Amino acid sequence: GQNIDQPTEMTATEGAIVQINCTYQTSGFNGLFWYQQHAGEAPTFLSYNVLDGLEEKGRFSSFLSRSKGYSYLLLKELQMKDSASYLCAVRGEGGGSYIPTFGRGTSLIVHP
Amino acid sequence: DAGVIQSPRHEVTEMGQEVTLRCKPISGHNSLFWYRQTMMRGLELLIYFNNNVPIDDSGMPEDRFSAKMPNASFSTLKIQPSEPRDSAVYFCATRSTSGSYEQFFGPGTRLTVL
Repeated sequence: GQNIDQPTEMTATEGAIVQINCTYQTSGFNGLFWYQQHAGEAPTFLSYNVLDGLEEKGRFSSFLSRSKGYSYLLLKELQMKDSASYLCAVRGEGGGSYIPTFGRGTSLIVHP
Repeated sequence: DAGVIQSPRHEVTEMGQEVTLRCKPISGHNSLFWYRQTMMRGLELLIYFNNNVPIDDSGMPEDRFSAKMPNASFSTLKIQPSEPRDSAVYFCATRSTSGSYEQFFGPGTRLTVL
């Protein structure tokens, strides 16, 4: 089975840095995704990590530690438009199967 | 490309009625996923297809739910009869198995069953 934990809600100030954590216990591991979802909209892809380490993409970075079952999404220079839900999803099945399991999401509120 | 297209965007119906949700995948994407999202349970996978064939339907709640993909350009999710607890946002997502693992989500159908 898959178990994915994220904080329910976080708040931060415009211009600051925020780190959203995700821990997982899965049967096998084949990659971890982060998606962003604005209220009333569809999730959109942010990052995909397969190997340990930090991957940077503009203001957003994603980190993975497979041995610890842990990932975080780092958002720098926060903007008001970054207020959204951030979903962690783990691809736990092996071989040709592809079924990512999503966490409940972390609602990030950015205030002035 | 127009992206994943879903219709209708909003559906309000009465308990007991049949509901059909539609999805048109991105051209060339051969994997299609139906998800349901609620505040209580988050984003849940209902079923997914690969090359029009259902691969895993273990997430389908019960026999009232059925999904089809008659061709590479179209899929439906049907609920018959609908119940108030089916109220949720239903997303269709697609990806190409020859590309990245990124899933592209449609705008969703917000279903309200009264």
